[in-house]
This record gives sequence, C-alpha cells and structure tokens, in this order.
Amino acid sequence: DVKVTQSSRYLVKRTGEKVFLECVQDMDHENMFWYRQDPGLGLRLIYFSYDVKMKEKGDIPEGYSVSREKKERFSLILESASTSQTSMYLCASSPAGTAFNQPQHFGDGTRLSIL
Amino acid sequence: SQQGEEDPQALSIQEGENATMNCSYKTSINNLQWYRQNSGRGLVHLILIRSNEREKHSGRLRVTLDTSKKSSSLLITASRAADTASYFCATDAGQGGSEKLVFGKGTKLTVNP
Repeated sequence: DVKVTQSSRYLVKRTGEKVFLECVQDMDHENMFWYRQDPGLGLRLIYFSYDVKMKEKGDIPEGYSVSREKKERFSLILESASTSQTSMYLCASSPAGTAFNQPQHFGDGTRLSIL
Repeated sequence: SQQGEEDPQALSIQEGENATMNCSYKTSINNLQWYRQNSGRGLVHLILIRSNEREKHSGRLRVTLDTSKKSSSLLITASRAADTASYFCATDAGQGGSEKLVFGKGTKLTVNP
C-alpha cells in the first residue's frame, strides 16, 4: 500500500515564524501535491510538483513556497506565518502522468494553528 | 475555481439504509473520482469513472455518471456505522494534460447504529 507520511499531526506556531511542513511518500510517485482544507471551502491546491526540483503554483500559492530536492519528499514552507494560514494541510502523491487518470494518495494531514 | 459541487451537504441515515450523494460540475471532464474522508484524517480514493463510462461498481459502492447533465452520483448500499465520513467528488479542471484535480466541498454522511 502507498504510504504518505506527514511529519506532524498537530502544530502550533506564532505569527511571523517560518514554518516547514514535511511530506514523504514511499511509492516512487512522480507527482506530489499540497492542499489546504478549510470548513466551507473544501480542498484548495497550493502547489504541486511533477518531478524533482519542479514545481507549479496551484490556486492559492500566496504566502507559501515549496521544495522538492528528493523524489520522495515534498516540503511546504510558510515564509512568514499569519493567522489566516491556520488550517488543515494535506499532502498527496500520484504516479507519473495526468492526475485525473489515477487516484491521489493522501497523508493524514497536519492541523496547523498560527497564534 | 470550484468544479464539483456535492449535494446534499449533510445526510443522516440509519444503518442498513442506502445513501445517495450527488455531484454536479460545470465544464467537460475526462474522469471523475470519489473520495472518502474520516474525521480528522486524510482522503481515501474510492472509485474513478471515465467520461465514456456510465456506471461503475466497487463492493457496496455504485457510481453513475451522466455527462449530458454534468452530474454523478455515489450510492452506498446497506450502509454501516463505519461509513460515517465526508465524501468528495473530484474532477480534472477541464484542461487536457493538467495534473490538477478540483474537489467539491463534500457531503457529510452520518450513519446511525
């Protein structure tokens, strides 16, 4: 079974801090994704990566950056955390090719609170 | 950019009953997927149906797709308390070659024992 592991289930940080969220997948998937999930807004794509060192902006990239130095690891970075970034963050992966042709595999999420 | 919209937003049924959830979308699609999310957890893929398919089954799940109406439905038969979760449909953004899925806001299903 595919396993997508997010480094923290719960995280509390302060406004202005630089925050790193880590995601690791063990199935050699090319595509990796970061979403945030908020009540009433559903899942929104922040960034995705289709290969090492490649990244593409999603629908809400402002205030975030990503890093993919190794195929199995995709990091989300909040450059200067703000209270509006309090949310549930979900990482996902899928094999090479167009994502709509295959399932995405999700981690259990990181619930991030910015105080 | 919202693509899929689930209906109803919430559904409460008794164990053993069937549950039907609907998804409507706006633009043409290549495929539509359904996912389940248990409270506080990540999403789990349930089923993928292609635009040239009308119906697909997986265990107690039955998915239909009507591209003329731009809608899909997920039927869970003989529901169990363990089926309590939120269910999301997801479609591609209508652009060929896109690696993006666009998710709806979900239907929250409660199955009462």
